[in-house]
Amino acid sequence: ETGVTQSPTHLIKTRGQQVTLRCSSQSGHNTVSWYQQALGQGPQFIFQYYREEENGRGNFPPRFSGLQFPNYSSELNVNALELDDSALYLCASSKPPSGSNEQFFGPGTRLTVL
Amino acid sequence: QQQVKQSPQSLIVQKGGISIINCAYENTAFDYFPWYQQFPGKGPALLIAIRPDVSEKKEGRFTISFNKSAKQFSLHIMDSQPGDSATYFCAAVETSYGKLTFGQGTILTVHP
Repeated sequence: ETGVTQSPTHLIKTRGQQVTLRCSSQSGHNTVSWYQQALGQGPQFIFQYYREEENGRGNFPPRFSGLQFPNYSSELNVNALELDDSALYLCASSKPPSGSNEQFFGPGTRLTVL
Repeated sequence: QQQVKQSPQSLIVQKGGISIINCAYENTAFDYFPWYQQFPGKGPALLIAIRPDVSEKKEGRFTISFNKSAKQFSLHIMDSQPGDSATYFCAAVETSYGKLTFGQGTILTVHP
């Protein structure tokens, strides 16, 4: 069984640029959630995708957007990058979005915005 | 709005000691409370979880105590080991939404 994978591992961008982060969900999982973890903080929920549709969104501006593909993999896109977007971005996959279904996290993508 | 408050920020314990991390929540709609363990360079991994209809849950050296009326819950790590050194996060979930709301995290260091 393959776990959750994310790419790239690290990324450096400058302010105003756009970035795309990728996530492959664990086998058998059809739900993907994205979280932003700033240094020294707990992860913050960005949004969740279920069956290729956005299924809930946290307190993040519209320049954070996402996609889920038929194979349940997912992308997180961030436009007009700001310095405060520097963080670890975590993807988690699970079975259908019942809160008691365990979310399995990938290792994350470390984004640095200069 | 910080919906889940976690303390302490950091904790140093001797090998064999008991580590205790506390969390408090505000939203009474939360109905599932997991604890996650995160090692450097890794994503969080589920450690143990509890529902509010149970006051205590034990799995090996890890125990969650839950006080619904006080809206507080805590993680106890018995016989703490150096390998337990990690960051621990409490979280809360409204199961109808499925999103995790995390506490700020506790950095645990267990000295040999």
